[in-house]
Amino acid sequence: GAGVSQSPSNKVTEKGKDVELRCDPISGHTALYWYRQSLGQGLEFLIYFQGNSAPDKSGLPSDRFSAERTGGSVSTLTIQRTQQEDSAVYLCASSLNWNEQFFGPGTRLTVL
Amino acid sequence: QKEVEQNSGPLSVPEGAIASLNCTYSDRGSQSFFWYRQYSGKSPELIMSIYSNGDKEDGRFTAQLNKASQYVSLLIRDSQPSDSATYLCAVNPTGTASKLTFGTGTRLQVTL
Repeated sequence: GAGVSQSPSNKVTEKGKDVELRCDPISGHTALYWYRQSLGQGLEFLIYFQGNSAPDKSGLPSDRFSAERTGGSVSTLTIQRTQQEDSAVYLCASSLNWNEQFFGPGTRLTVL
Repeated sequence: QKEVEQNSGPLSVPEGAIASLNCTYSDRGSQSFFWYRQYSGKSPELIMSIYSNGDKEDGRFTAQLNKASQYVSLLIRDSQPSDSATYLCAVNPTGTASKLTFGTGTRLQVTL
């Protein structure tokens, strides 16, 4: 079946602009995660949604970052007033149970 | 101390040999452990999960877990050039629901 999809695949923006990144999880997966991966770095957890529970936002690096998940499916990660240090690949993953996470192709964000 | 540690490599093995990738973690209460493969410019792909002490085999891959030593490893038998990638170890620490903490990965090079 279809895997996790993300859009756009690439996003170039100017410093100070807002961006929205979209994630469409695998159908039926109740959990959705956002990570980011900076060049040569490991994956950094950002936020986690599980069903209708309140999201775990403990990994968001600043209040410029927010995410929502509508109808328990699609999620949008919003970065306001982007900074150059926000440049990274933003990865979304989903899981059916509480363990195995499957990643989408990622969105490469470049802030000029 | 990093929560999940991996040797960055590169680990170079000849084609047909066994590649041994190692990972240590700091949270003794961790229960779930995963190995992801990440090709350059691509997103992580789940290849193995292990939850109990001992070995788990899947084709050419064997995951080994030793909770007493806080150590998890991945063996790749009959290594192929297509196995050349970065291998990420991921751990679900205690009390973090299903958030994963990733190591920075070991780059494997399989030479002809």
